[in-house]
Amino acid sequence: SQTIHQWPATLVQPVGSPLSLECTVEGTSNPNLYWYRQAAGRGLQLLFYSVGIGQISSEVPQNLSASRPQDRQFILSSKKLLLSDSGFYLCAWRRLGIYNEQFFGPGTRLTVL
Amino acid sequence: GESVGLHLPTLSVQEGDNSIINCAYSNSASDYFIWYKQESGKGPQFIIDIRSNMDKRQGQRVTVLLNKTVKHLSLQIAATQPGDSAVYFCAENMLSYSTLTFGKGTMLLVSP
Repeated sequence: SQTIHQWPATLVQPVGSPLSLECTVEGTSNPNLYWYRQAAGRGLQLLFYSVGIGQISSEVPQNLSASRPQDRQFILSSKKLLLSDSGFYLCAWRRLGIYNEQFFGPGTRLTVL
Repeated sequence: GESVGLHLPTLSVQEGDNSIINCAYSNSASDYFIWYKQESGKGPQFIIDIRSNMDKRQGQRVTVLLNKTVKHLSLQIAATQPGDSAVYFCAENMLSYSTLTFGKGTMLLVSP
């Protein structure tokens, strides 16, 4: 069976500090991978998605970046965090196929102070 | 931008009642729809999906109905339980797209 992991689960960072969130998927090959952000009480905002190693599509221009160094690893980064980067970050994967059912990880709660 | 919206932001029901959560979508080209359940502090959990060539699909205690004529999607939960309390999101997709469009979510509150 497939599983998706995210870490850390929670993170408190000062403004201006760097960020690295990691997502890994097990039990599948060549998945599509996604990063979403969710503000408190809000819906899901797609930040980045990747259809393969080194292939990143950005949905929202901002001070975040994403990388996919390995097939089942997706990393969300920032060089300098802003207060507005606080939120719940979710990684999701989708198997190759016709239908776009996505499966989400447990999320990372980021608080920027 | 978001093309999927929900009619009711909060739905309160009693335990044992049936719940109906509604979703309107605006893209008539969407051909695949998903309902997710998100409990507080957790990632969304896939509940059920439906393809546009169907108008009804049933799972365990859940039924999704699709009305393409009026571009409406609903999730019915039978015999609602306190554990069903969560935010429910609908999402739509066109097969040619790699991304989903999510609605804003409905909070379901189940009282014992």
